Amino acid sequence: AQSVTQLDSQVPVFEEAPVELRCNYSSSVSVYLFWYVQYPNQGLQLLLKYLSGSTLVKGINGFEAEFNKSQTSFHLRKPSVHISDTAEYFCAVSSSGSARQLTFGSGTQLTVLP
Amino acid sequence: DAGVTQSPTHLIKTRGQQVTLRCSPKSGHDTVSWYQQALGQGPQFIFQYYEEEERQRGNFPDRFSGHQFPNYSSELNVNALLLGDSALYLCASARAGGSTYNEQFFGPGTRLTVL
Repeated sequence: AQSVTQLDSQVPVFEEAPVELRCNYSSSVSVYLFWYVQYPNQGLQLLLKYLSGSTLVKGINGFEAEFNKSQTSFHLRKPSVHISDTAEYFCAVSSSGSARQLTFGSGTQLTVLP
Repeated sequence: DAGVTQSPTHLIKTRGQQVTLRCSPKSGHDTVSWYQQALGQGPQFIFQYYEEEERQRGNFPDRFSGHQFPNYSSELNVNALLLGDSALYLCASARAGGSTYNEQFFGPGTRLTVL
């Protein structure tokens, strides 16, 4: 069984400040890791993914994440946020293989303040 | 490419009724997964269809059933609706096959309200 814990339900941050959204996972098998973003009244959009290789993964909109196997973490970071980054962010895990089911965390609401 | 489409956008039902939600996958995709997202929570996996058969299933009761058609589109059916079934239902499609990861693309969802 797999599980994902997002340690912060809400993160307020001022515009142009850096941000880190934390994610820890548990799994007994090799996993793929993902971060999705959800804007109000919309579906999920993939920000970035870790499948294998380099543990630092770069995604869209200036986001990046680092896979830490020993700490079973996959934290999302952005050096300078914009108002438009205000959204709900979900960390997810799936077992390796094609089109496997995703297990999501409960989400982190990022609010960027002017 | 229209991406993943879902219908209807919103739906209101009463307890005990039955509902059918529809999903058309992204062009070239043959696998469809359904997720339930309750308010303030992350999506939870319901089931996945490939080659018109249910291949994986999450921890949902038999009231939740599905179907995949030869054109790869899919339906989610929920019988005997409960208030707790109120949620955003998300459909995701992907291309099956191979040993590497195939990205799942999500639709905008159907908002179901049970009164």
